[in-house]
Amino acid sequence: QSPLTQPASVSGSPGQSITISCIATSSDLGHYNYFSWCQHHPGKAPKLLIYDDTKRPSGVSVRFSASYSGSTASLTISGLQSEDEADYYCSSFTDANVWVFGGGTKLTVL
Amino acid sequence: QVQLVESGGGVVQPGASHSLSCAASGFAFAYTAMHWVRQAPGKGLEWVAVISSDGYNTYYADSVKGRFIISRDNSNNIVFLQMNSLRVEDTAVYLCAKGTSHYYYGLDVWGQGTTVTVSS
Repeated sequence: QSPLTQPASVSGSPGQSITISCIATSSDLGHYNYFSWCQHHPGKAPKLLIYDDTKRPSGVSVRFSASYSGSTASLTISGLQSEDEADYYCSSFTDANVWVFGGGTKLTVL
Repeated sequence: QVQLVESGGGVVQPGASHSLSCAASGFAFAYTAMHWVRQAPGKGLEWVAVISSDGYNTYYADSVKGRFIISRDNSNNIVFLQMNSLRVEDTAVYLCAKGTSHYYYGLDVWGQGTTVTVSS
C-alpha cells in the first residue's frame, strides 16, 4: 500500500470542477517533497500535469491546477471535459532518495 | 520531440533473469536522470528505479532492491533494466521515463512501456 493516499475514484459532469487529494502518511521514507501529478489514459504514455507542488509544464491546460498544504497535495481540474476521463497519480520525492506514487484516482466524466 | 521506446518485454519463468532497454531521443540524454516505472495488471503506477545522468548513482524501490539493476549507455542514449530472480508479482508493463531538469522534481516524459509476464 502506497504511503501516498488518493481516493480510488472521483466523478463530475462536464463543465464542473473536481479535486483529487493526495495525503502523505508517515513511513520509513521520511518526508515527502516536490509533489507531481500525472494523467494516464490506459494504454498510453502518462502525461505530466504538475511538478514542484504547483507548477504547470508548458503546454498543459490552465484547467489543471494544484496546491500543497501540510501533508496533503491536491489537484483541481476545472471545466471538466470528456477527454479528462483518465487515471490520475500523485508522486513525490522522499528523504530516502526514492520516488513514490499514490495509488491512483480514476476520474469519470458523467 | 522527446521519444522513449522500451523493448525487451516477454514471458519469463519465475527465478529467471531478463533485461529491458529504453532508447531515448530528442533531448540531452547524457545530462538527464532516467527512471523505470511499472504498472501491474489492474494496479497503479509503481516507481522502480532511477539512475543519475552520469550513471554513478542509482536508487531502487524496496520491492526490487537487490534484484534489479538500472544502467545506462550515454554514447547510445539507452537505459537498461536488468531484472534478476523474477517473481510472479513482477508481472507488469515497464515504462521508462525521463527525469526533469531539476533532479528532485521527478519524471516528465514517459514511454508507452513493454510488457513482462512472469509465469511458469
